[in-house]
Amino acid sequence: GAVVSQHPSRVICKSGTSVKIECRSLDFQATTMFWYRQFPKQSLMLMATSNEGSKATYEQGVEKDKFLINHASLTLSTLTVTSAHPEDSSFYICSVGQYEQYFGPGTRLTVT
Amino acid sequence: GENVEQHPSTLSVQEGDSAVIKCTYSDSASNYFPWYKQELGKGPQLIIDIRSNVGEKKDQRIAVTLNKTAKHFSLHITETQPEDSAVYFCAAIQGAQKLVFGQGTRLTINP
Repeated sequence: GAVVSQHPSRVICKSGTSVKIECRSLDFQATTMFWYRQFPKQSLMLMATSNEGSKATYEQGVEKDKFLINHASLTLSTLTVTSAHPEDSSFYICSVGQYEQYFGPGTRLTVT
Repeated sequence: GENVEQHPSTLSVQEGDSAVIKCTYSDSASNYFPWYKQELGKGPQLIIDIRSNVGEKKDQRIAVTLNKTAKHFSLHITETQPEDSAVYFCAAIQGAQKLVFGQGTRLTINP
């Protein structure tokens, strides 16, 4: 399957600041990437679908102005959490593929 | 939209025994059903999947069965080992639409 990396693996930031998370598809040209959020002991919830060269598609209830997604190339998508607050603390995971989706290792965000 | 229910939420079995996790889905148009294993602090790993034109698929100690009529599918792990301990998620997808995940099952293998 596809190999996906994320950077950073862990990040701690102060409330009100912005954080950027990178998702790279190392061996698969991904026109579409997916961003998920996972709270402790819960399932994965799709936040948005990142489309190369065009705007992302956000799921209902996800603020597009707060979670900025950029998919500038076939191998890189970024998620920027703007004006982060403690309730944004979560595990953020990206994936590539359509039917068979392959996930990155995740990024643990802690907002203090 | 699609809704996936997964049971049980926790499962504890003795090493060497079998484990079964069950999922039901709501949308009869769903046609792809993957299973993911997630270890603590890591991203989910695809372990097996099945498409709607197949009733069963096996890969070594793991197998998945699908009953389209009843809209449920199951994961079977035989000869369980301590390294099988993890959280397992089922999911369903229709066409090129989004994956919808079940709530997860925390599987513990007792030595």
